Amino acid sequence: GENVEQHPSTLSVQEGDSAVIKCTYSDSASNYFPWYKQELGKGSQLIIDIRSNVGEKKDQRIAVTLNKTAKHFSLHITETQPEDSAVYFCAASGHNQGGKLIFGQGTELSVKP
Amino acid sequence: ETGVTQSPTHLIKTRGQQVTLRCSSQSGHNTVSWYQQALGQGPQFIFQYYREEENGRGNFPPRFSGLQFPNYSSELNVNALELDDSALYLCASSLRFSQRLEQYFGPGTRLTVT
Repeated sequence: GENVEQHPSTLSVQEGDSAVIKCTYSDSASNYFPWYKQELGKGSQLIIDIRSNVGEKKDQRIAVTLNKTAKHFSLHITETQPEDSAVYFCAASGHNQGGKLIFGQGTELSVKP
Repeated sequence: ETGVTQSPTHLIKTRGQQVTLRCSSQSGHNTVSWYQQALGQGPQFIFQYYREEENGRGNFPPRFSGLQFPNYSSELNVNALELDDSALYLCASSLRFSQRLEQYFGPGTRLTVT
């Protein structure tokens, strides 16, 4: 069935370092890949997304890359700050899947000052 | 533009009881999806509502049901609560049949079943 694997489950970096979170998906029909940042009391915020017709997308310190052949996509955060500390979820979806998002298990990112 | 809101924030119920959770979609959105997030896990798709009808369902039993109203708000009902139903319930709104695939989540309802 449809599945999204996310690694690592926890990630600790020093402020200013880069952080990379990787996901793989099983359904080759997936064509939309969002990333969410979840903080206690603040809900889940859509931070960046990418569609299957694009290989890379960047928004300030955040970038996402997609390798359709390998069915991998990754989140890259550069110049990390303590406020980047949160749980990050990747997800995969497509129009033919009715908009259903299949989520990874989450990565708890800790940025140490 | 108002965001997605959910009520209540927290809820404690006893096994066997029934619960209703509510969600107001973001203005301009016509579709609401519900997800269950167990502690330490990613959200799991329960079902989606579009034009007041269920439009897609995940691997959840029939005791999970929903409604969507003409103003696109939605309810999630769970009957015969079980201990394993304890989780964070998230709703997300989106604009179906557009080129916009984004789903925006509410803050969630934390349900505890004792």
